This record gives sequence, structure tokens and C-alpha cells, in this order.
Amino acid sequence: NAGVTQTPKFRVLKTGQSMTLLCAQDMNHEYMYWYRQDPGMGLRLIHYSVGEGTTAKGEVPDGYNVSRLKKQNFLLGLESAAPSQTSVYFCASSLNGLVGNEQFFGPGTRLTVL
Amino acid sequence: QQPVQSPQAVILREGEDAVINCSSSKALYSVHWYRQKHGEAPVFLMILLKGGEQMRHEKISASFNEKKQQSSLYLTASQLSYSGTYFCGTSVGGYSSASKIIFGSGTRLSIRP
Repeated sequence: NAGVTQTPKFRVLKTGQSMTLLCAQDMNHEYMYWYRQDPGMGLRLIHYSVGEGTTAKGEVPDGYNVSRLKKQNFLLGLESAAPSQTSVYFCASSLNGLVGNEQFFGPGTRLTVL
Repeated sequence: QQPVQSPQAVILREGEDAVINCSSSKALYSVHWYRQKHGEAPVFLMILLKGGEQMRHEKISASFNEKKQQSSLYLTASQLSYSGTYFCGTSVGGYSSASKIIFGSGTRLSIRP
């Protein structure tokens, strides 16, 4: 099992460009999450999904959109990138929403917006 | 809503003990602890549930004080491999919202030989 994978690992964008980050998991997990991590800020939840076809807002959803068309994939989109979106983005998944289930994290995507 | 962790950083010598605290202004349903090494993804350590028992992972244990709305992580006889940033995550609101976790800003732990 590959676990949680993220594509790409690194990306540099210019202000105003758009891009999509892909997260894939092969553990048949229902729940998936997108976090951003900035120095000294810890992990902040952007959006999450409780199942195929569903999405919900987290702590910092503005400027991002997500889609969960397939159970194994969770896409994070930036329509018009801004320098404030420079960050490391982590995807995670969990078996379901029952308390006690750990989240498995992907390796992260380092995004720089110039 | 973000839980507050203290201290922000700790430096220990190998074999020493440490305590990391995590507190919330809201009533907690569960507390999650993760460790992240530099340049890597966070890795799960343990979950503590309201009304549950103290948990343990190797020589790392944690407690959950519901009245004080806080959790503490105890690292006993620290090893070099314990170095990293420790995050607590909290969920509020009961079973139905337990999947939405809000993380603290982390405690950086450095172990010296």
C-alpha cells in the first residue's frame, strides 16, 4: 500500500496563476482533509470531505476549492494564486469520522507563489 | 478555537523527561497527539477520549483532564528519536464532529546526546 500520496511535491507559481493539487489514498478511507502549514502556525484545516461527492469548509477555506469525485482522490484548487498562499500543503485521510480514528498524512506539497 | 500548547520549545539531554501541555477554551471531546520530524509529514501518536483512560505509546504517555479542558503529553527518559515538533489537535462538539480536528501551533522538542 502506498498510503496517502500527493502530486506534485514542489511547485512555483506566479501571482494570479491557477493550479490543482492531487491527493490519492489506497486505504479505502471515507474521510479526507487538506491542511496548510506555515512556520509557527501549525496545521490549519482548509477543507475536508466525509465521503465521495461531499466537501465541507475548515478553518481557512477562502481562496481554495476542493472536489471529491472519486472516493480515493481529493483535489485542492487555487483559482488565482496569491503570495499569502505560499505554504506546505498536507493531505490526510481517516477510515471514517468516528472518534478514535487516526489521520494518515501524505508527504506534503511545497508551494511558492511569487 | 485553536488549542494553546506550552511550552513552544524544549531542549533536553537524552534521558531527561518533559511535559507538553495543550489547553482549550472550549469543552473538549477528544485530544489527538501527533509528532512531526523536520521535512516530514505528521505521524499519529495517540488519541485521548473524554472519559477515557490515559494512553501510552512506548515511553510517551498522555492524560486528559476534562475539567481543566487540557491534555498533557509526558515524555519519559527521552531518546534522540523523540526530537521533532509535537502537535495536539482537539475536537469539540461530540461524536458527530469528532472528525474535524483543530491543531495547536506545536511544541518543538530538541534532544541532545
